[in-house]
Amino acid sequence: QSALTQPPSASGSPGQSVTISCTGTSSDVGGYDYVSWYQQHPGKAPKLMIYEVNKRPSGVPDRFSGSKSGNTASLTVSGLQAEDEADYYCNSYTDSNDFYVFGTGTKVTVL
Amino acid sequence: EVQLVESGGGLVQPGGSLRLSCAASGFVFDGYWMSWVRQAPGKGLEWVANIKQDGTKTHYVDAVKDRFTISRDNAKNSLYLQMSSLRGDDTAVYFCVRGTGSAVYWGQGTLVTVSS
Repeated sequence: QSALTQPPSASGSPGQSVTISCTGTSSDVGGYDYVSWYQQHPGKAPKLMIYEVNKRPSGVPDRFSGSKSGNTASLTVSGLQAEDEADYYCNSYTDSNDFYVFGTGTKVTVL
Repeated sequence: EVQLVESGGGLVQPGGSLRLSCAASGFVFDGYWMSWVRQAPGKGLEWVANIKQDGTKTHYVDAVKDRFTISRDNAKNSLYLQMSSLRGDDTAVYFCVRGTGSAVYWGQGTLVTVSS
């Protein structure tokens, strides 16, 4: 049940794009399309931004998009805005214990 | 409006026990898997346990197996987490979550501190 691997930090200027990677194995990210992404602001509960690799829940701006290639999933935030500054966590189903595992988390800074 | 309200957190000594509760409202409780997720201070998120709609299936992260028990009372629209043999690394905010994996609704969390 090792955490999925994410870069500790990412940054971009307002209006630019930033992409966060999430690397797992064939037992989780690579084997199933049950990858989701969460945004978390300090002191708040996480917010679901992407589910099933590339689907957006109602109300999430289309500036947020997800993709997957092999054992690595990615979240892209286009047209960065100040309010996008937050921690982002990927999440995947894992068949190692029929459960779920989060990524290590990435702090996104808007310069 | 969906609401998930956790309670039961607090300060407990190492080796002690604590029971967390989550009161759910605004949706058909017995229609959903439910989960507990925790976050240690300044650290990342971790799925702790989940439970099927009728309580017949549960899963746990290895770190809490044989120490924590998730349960639910559908008649009371409530989710529980019984925690025993608590250790310092169990110190965290514990979130009640509707669903599992991809979850839209989260409670605000309750802080559990394990310390002497």
